[in-house]
Amino acid sequence: GQNIDQPTEMTATEGAIVQINCTYQTSGFNGLFWYQQHAGEAPTFLSYNVLDGLEEKGRFSSFLSRSKGYSYLLLKELQMKDSASYLCAAMDSNYQLIWGAGTKLIIKP
Amino acid sequence: KAGVTQTPRYLIKTRGQQVTLSCSPISGHRSVSWYQQTPGQGLQFLFEYFSETQRNKGNFPGRFSGRQFSNSRSEMNVSTLELGDSALYLCASSPDSRNQPQHFGDGTRLSIL
Repeated sequence: GQNIDQPTEMTATEGAIVQINCTYQTSGFNGLFWYQQHAGEAPTFLSYNVLDGLEEKGRFSSFLSRSKGYSYLLLKELQMKDSASYLCAAMDSNYQLIWGAGTKLIIKP
Repeated sequence: KAGVTQTPRYLIKTRGQQVTLSCSPISGHRSVSWYQQTPGQGLQFLFEYFSETQRNKGNFPGRFSGRQFSNSRSEMNVSTLELGDSALYLCASSPDSRNQPQHFGDGTRLSIL
């Protein structure tokens, strides 16, 4: 079957760095997406990886290893506003997104 | 550019009733996908429409159906509502290309009494 695994909850300190991991098993692969979702709001797009390697976008970076079925989202210089759920989603051979349950990130002062 | 618009934002129904939710995608976006989100669960894919045709379908019972109009607006219908249908229903749109990011609406929160 198709599956996405990511930690349920993580806690980090303001100003620090945090890495949110995601492992996936899909029938075929057409890329991996990361979204941010604040409580009570719609998910918003953060990053897309389809080739191995690191994609950097400001304070956020995303990494992909296709051979390991593994991705991570790296958040640097954490701010209180980064408190949110982070959703990992892999696109399968039918271009259907398979979503993880999300990682709730709590930032402490 | 206006974002994805979903109506209504909140809805309360009773078991056995039916409901229709509406989604207006971003102008120029031809793909519309629907998801169900419940606490502790990831987004569960319902279906995707592209140019008025259902292109992909998730593993939901036939009580869940949808359609897309020529202006790309989409509706989702749930018949014979059950308590377990209480959830946030999200609509997302994207341009033609399938590996482009989806843009989400704020959702319709459906409560079944």
